[in-house]
Amino acid sequence: SAVISQKPSRDICQRGTSLTIQCQVDSQVTMMFWYRQQPGQSLTLIATANQGSEATYESGFVIDKFPISRPNLTFSTLTVSNMSPEDSSIYLCSVEGGVVLPFGETQYFGPGTRLLVL
Amino acid sequence: QKEVEQNSGPLSVPEGAIASLNCTYSDRGSQSFFWYRQYSGKSPELIMFIYSNGDKEDGRFTAQLNKASQYVSLLIRDSQPSDSATYLCAVIIGAQKLVFGQGTRLTINP
Repeated sequence: SAVISQKPSRDICQRGTSLTIQCQVDSQVTMMFWYRQQPGQSLTLIATANQGSEATYESGFVIDKFPISRPNLTFSTLTVSNMSPEDSSIYLCSVEGGVVLPFGETQYFGPGTRLLVL
Repeated sequence: QKEVEQNSGPLSVPEGAIASLNCTYSDRGSQSFFWYRQYSGKSPELIMFIYSNGDKEDGRFTAQLNKASQYVSLLIRDSQPSDSATYLCAVIIGAQKLVFGQGTRLTINP
C-alpha cells in the first residue's frame, strides 16, 4: 500500500481562523479522500478529490467551508475555514490502492491531523 | 436506519478466547466489505476485506459475509492484549463511497 503523510499532525487554532491540511502520497493515485472523525465517533467522508477536477462533496459538507485542492496525482490539501469549536476533529486523508476488488478498491489512511479549535 | 451498524461495545474478551465482532448494512447492492482496526490516537488500519459469501481467513482473523442477511462479521482467534482496539466495519456504497459503522471497542483481558 502507499505511504501517506499529513501535515500538520496536530494543531490548536482560534475560532474564526482557517487551517490548511496537506496530504502527500509516495505514489501516483487517481482518487484521494478526506474524512472527518469527531471525538468518540466514526469516520465520515467529507469529499472525494480527483486530480484535474472539482472535488465531490458529501451531503452536509460544502466547498466554502472545506475547500480542497488536488494539483497533482500525489498531493492534496483540505482547508477548514472560519473554524468553530465544532470543527475540532481528526481529519484524515485516504487513497485507494493495493487491491482492486470486483467493486471498488481497498483504501488506506494517512496518520491524521488532530485539530482543536478554541 | 443507519447504512452500517455495529454494536459499539465495549466488548470484553479474555486472552486466548475468540472475539466475535458483528456488522449489518442496509444497502442490499453493496458488494465489498472491510474491517479496519483503530488503536487509540491512531488512524484506521485495514486488516481484512471480503466480497464473496462465506469465510475468508488471514492468520488469526476470519471475516464472514452473508449477503442474504446483509451481515458481516470478524472473528479473532487466540485473542491477544494487543488486539485491544476499536474495530470499524466499512462498506462500499454506490460507486466508491466507503461508509463506516460507529465501531466496536474491544478489550482483551490478560
